[in-house]
Amino acid sequence: GAVVSQHPSRVICKSGTSVKIECRSLDFQATTMFWYRQFPKQSLMLMATSNEGSKATYEQGVEKDKFLINHASLTLSTLTVTSAHPEDSSFYICSADRTGNQPQHFGDGTRLSIL
Amino acid sequence: GIQVEQSPPDLILQEGANSTLRCNFSDSVNNLQWFHQNPWGQLINLFYIPSGTKQNGRLSATTVATERYSLLYISSSQTTDSGVYFCAVRANSGYALNFGKGTSLLVTP
Repeated sequence: GAVVSQHPSRVICKSGTSVKIECRSLDFQATTMFWYRQFPKQSLMLMATSNEGSKATYEQGVEKDKFLINHASLTLSTLTVTSAHPEDSSFYICSADRTGNQPQHFGDGTRLSIL
Repeated sequence: GIQVEQSPPDLILQEGANSTLRCNFSDSVNNLQWFHQNPWGQLINLFYIPSGTKQNGRLSATTVATERYSLLYISSSQTTDSGVYFCAVRANSGYALNFGKGTSLLVTP
């Protein structure tokens, strides 16, 4: 079964709305989670690394004030797209790392459409 | 950062055919995963294979870490194998997985 749960799976909203996406590790504690974005016909691009109890690390070109990340517990990270605009429409996917030599687990993604 | 190159970018096969997908990477890695992305966007983890060889049914993968490449073999392909296959690696010096651009596979009846 899924070890990383992402919610919601789909959001359609008006321009200017803020949207929150949740990513939960279901049966393990994740000190580090990752947020990726995927535009149509493209690969997954890392947006930011979410660290429990500290500030997120953003990749170059990703606006930290636009994409707010909170990792308040060892099982939950949230990504808030603030004042979303049509160009923010994309597929957002989170992942989480177990400790040790283990694979990274991905959520099912959130398809965000801004009208 | 680490570079990940996948080939071929596109592949069309007839059902029953075999194929090999390749992933080259530019630095030492401690994680390499192969994924199949289905039409709904879900990433299905096929293999966690930073080194060595693994098999799972009709699929198998080999990573030669010292030569910085990995291969994904699909045998007796089926139409349900269609989709995009991604290779993703984590450099020894990094934290996140870095994805290649993927191979888009279409298996025709």
